[in-house]
Amino acid sequence: GAVVSQHPSRVICKSGTSVKIECRSLDFQATTMFWYRQFPKQSLMLMATSNEGSKATYEQGVEKDKFLINHASLTLSTLTVTSAHPEDSSFYICSAMSGVQETQYFGPGTRLLVL
Amino acid sequence: AQSVTQLDSHVSVSEGTPVLLRCNYSSSYSPSLFWYVQHPNKGLQLLLKYTSAATLVKGINGFEAEFKKSETSFHLTKPSAHMSDAAEYFCVVSTGTASKLTFGTGTRLQVTL
Repeated sequence: GAVVSQHPSRVICKSGTSVKIECRSLDFQATTMFWYRQFPKQSLMLMATSNEGSKATYEQGVEKDKFLINHASLTLSTLTVTSAHPEDSSFYICSAMSGVQETQYFGPGTRLLVL
Repeated sequence: AQSVTQLDSHVSVSEGTPVLLRCNYSSSYSPSLFWYVQHPNKGLQLLLKYTSAATLVKGINGFEAEFKKSETSFHLTKPSAHMSDAAEYFCVVSTGTASKLTFGTGTRLQVTL
């Protein structure tokens, strides 16, 4: 149980375009989902926390207009990187947690390359 | 405030020998502690977690960790390393619920023949 998927696993896009990444909890209802960013050989940095049906809470320094997060259902959250630039290239990982759990379950990650 | 320090950025062991990955934490309240493993270009997989129950926690793949409050440590061990254990390991702390995780910088485990 507690499986989280992400789609796509890898995406390459041109500078200036927008990219949407999906995060799904496959076998549980996720009241809270998290989006992390991981630079090469570094740890995970929390970008934002989203609760189903409400606006996401962004960490300091994360541009909410650039990284749009939608958590429309209890099993799906999306991260849209708008007007992507090469510096947005990174490994994006989501996680999900249900109201009764004490554990975040992580997706397999999405590698974004902006050319 | 909470923080976690992974004392070794890189650990190399021979296959079949014991593994020790060190982690110290700092937390104002009773912490929950986790170890996650990340294989190359993959997401994180939960190895084990401590949430104020038994101080010796057994996880998957033969790993275990012991919560030592007096030493503020949560070291990860395994009696015998396997080649498939080669990966990045993250020690993680949270206070209260798992809503706010603080990650260590990671320890890369290398397993040699």
